[in-house]
Amino acid sequence: QKEVEQDPGPLSVPEGAIVSLNCTYSNSAFQYFMWYRQYSRKGPELLMYTYSSGNKEDGRFTAQVDKSSKYISLFIRDSQPSDSATYLCAMSGSSGSARQLTFGSGTQLTVLP
Amino acid sequence: ETGVTQTPRHLVMGMTNKKSLKCEQHLGHNAMYWYKQSAKKPLELMFVYNFKEQTENNSVPSRFSPECPNSSHLFLHLHTLQPEDSALYLCATAEGQGTTYEQYFGPGTRLTVT
Repeated sequence: QKEVEQDPGPLSVPEGAIVSLNCTYSNSAFQYFMWYRQYSRKGPELLMYTYSSGNKEDGRFTAQVDKSSKYISLFIRDSQPSDSATYLCAMSGSSGSARQLTFGSGTQLTVLP
Repeated sequence: ETGVTQTPRHLVMGMTNKKSLKCEQHLGHNAMYWYKQSAKKPLELMFVYNFKEQTENNSVPSRFSPECPNSSHLFLHLHTLQPEDSALYLCATAEGQGTTYEQYFGPGTRLTVT
């Protein structure tokens, strides 16, 4: 079993739709949860970061963490064509000075105009 | 731009060649990482350097050899690669201490082994 499972998609939605992206994980030591966005021909960039359980909102983006279910989500409201990218979830435990992240395989999202 | 540059952006090499990938950062970070990204697979962590010391070698074959001569530069030396080594190789940096988890990625080197 992979430590982090993420549906690779591809996911295609019309402009303005609400998008839900999800990851499940098996390691209960994970405390820090991140979503990275990767445009074509670019490296990943951090989009959202959450510590432990709860919700975090940033503009059109909301990250949710449910540690009891080992399930994290990223919601995108009023999706735009510029949101078309691959979204990677990433997680880390609390030990170590050079933080190591465990990534999901990424979900490819296309928002159609 | 993220402050992390990688050269070359594209590389085609034969199985008997020797080449090197270069990563340079202008962020003053202390931790530097090499990742391999293959289609439909999670990013695979290859090597970690913290304060120029290698702290992690994630069971990477010896045909990949990292080098960190100073805190701004990271190299990945390649020799006698296999076709399955074709992938996007990403360099990332992080502060390397404290509670920050953000890693800053370069654009990657697209490697094709023929």
